[in-house]
Amino acid sequence: NAGVTQTPKFRVLKTGQSMTLLCAQDMNHEYMYWYRQDPGMGLRLIHYSVGEGTTAKGEVPDGYNVSRLKKQNFLLGLESAAPSQTSVYFCASTGQGFDTEAFFGQGTRLTVV
Amino acid sequence: AQKVTQAQTEISVVEKEDVTLDCVYETRDTTYYLFWYKQPPSGELVFLIRRNSFDEQNEISGRYSWNFQKSTSSFNFTITASQVVDSAVYFCALIQGRAGNMLTFGGGTRLMVKP
Repeated sequence: NAGVTQTPKFRVLKTGQSMTLLCAQDMNHEYMYWYRQDPGMGLRLIHYSVGEGTTAKGEVPDGYNVSRLKKQNFLLGLESAAPSQTSVYFCASTGQGFDTEAFFGQGTRLTVV
Repeated sequence: AQKVTQAQTEISVVEKEDVTLDCVYETRDTTYYLFWYKQPPSGELVFLIRRNSFDEQNEISGRYSWNFQKSTSSFNFTITASQVVDSAVYFCALIQGRAGNMLTFGGGTRLMVKP
């Protein structure tokens, strides 16, 4: 089925470990986003990309890095995980011109202990 | 800069009541898009509606209706005859129409519909 796929769905990390979350979309969308959602809170934008090879900072970029080497993939990296990064992470994509809805992945639940 | 405010953090109603969720936005652009998403307890984000800034017509879809008023920068969402299955967190979101802009969400409104 077409859509946005996030891997992994769950992960537990120890403080200081690194990991990469993968977001893949098969709709040829230009725009991709990474959000985090903390309990009882809305979605806060971490980083986003307006096209292959480009990335930009969102509201809460510290402690994260991203890459968009291929149009269909948007990677979110944590170089040295901290307990404050325990959250649910969502990836989204939209078409250029925003004439489509923003499609979301199913989320990744990350716990840093 | 762009901003979305959902002043109601939590609303509780009894089944069959009507309920309106407020959304107020800020943007400098004349071209922008507004969205509503539903997040049920299962956690996924479900698209409900998209509206562009040039289309101020209100929309009705079953028990759902949306009121878009540019004059007050609001895009409110009404559920008529609420049901328990409507219990969820609802998010309003905005993206400005020029290239390179962020999709920004409001803080969400948790709706609890009691039987």
